[in-house]
Amino acid sequence: GQNIDQPTEMTATEGAIVQINCTYQTSGFNGLFWYQQHAGEAPTFLSYNVLDGLEEKGRFSSFLSRSKGYSYLLLKELQMKDSASYLCAVRALYNQGGKLIFGQGTELSVKP
Amino acid sequence: NAGVMQNPRHLVRRRGQEARLRCSPMKGHSHVYWYRQLPEEGLKFMVYLQKENIIDESGMPKERFSAEFPKEGPSILRIQQVVRGDSAAYFCASSITRASGASYEQYFGPGTRLTVT
Repeated sequence: GQNIDQPTEMTATEGAIVQINCTYQTSGFNGLFWYQQHAGEAPTFLSYNVLDGLEEKGRFSSFLSRSKGYSYLLLKELQMKDSASYLCAVRALYNQGGKLIFGQGTELSVKP
Repeated sequence: NAGVMQNPRHLVRRRGQEARLRCSPMKGHSHVYWYRQLPEEGLKFMVYLQKENIIDESGMPKERFSAEFPKEGPSILRIQQVVRGDSAAYFCASSITRASGASYEQYFGPGTRLTVT
């Protein structure tokens, strides 16, 4: 079966660093994605990992370990506007493109 | 470059009516995906289409739901004889195939919020 787990909610303080973990068990793997979704809005793409290691993009970094079925999203210098749901998604193995299997999302609240 | 467009943004239907949701992918994108997000739940894959072809419909309910992506015009998700349980946000996403093997990120539209009364 396909299973993606991430914490339901997290709270952090403005200016701090927060790490959101994601573990997955899927029948195929062709990349892991992180999306940000504000309430009532569309998910927006944050990062993509297909090889092991860390990908850095400004205040956001994402890490992948394929052997452990594990990823995390690291947010630095938190801002109030970072309060949102963060979605971990795995792309199922396919020849071209391919559906994304999403976790439930982690609701992050940034406090002043 | 316009993003993924969906309309209507909000749709209210009575039980038993039909709902038609439209999605225009980003320019140059040939892959369209439909996802459903029920209240307090994660995004669930429904169907993956390319022009005139359904590639993967493993997430589509067996009855009442259909999807198409014609040669010309937007992709359509059609729900016949809607029931209260169909109330959800329906998101469309599009992507492009890259020969280089670079990421195939999917870009999401703003969604259609369907309410069945």
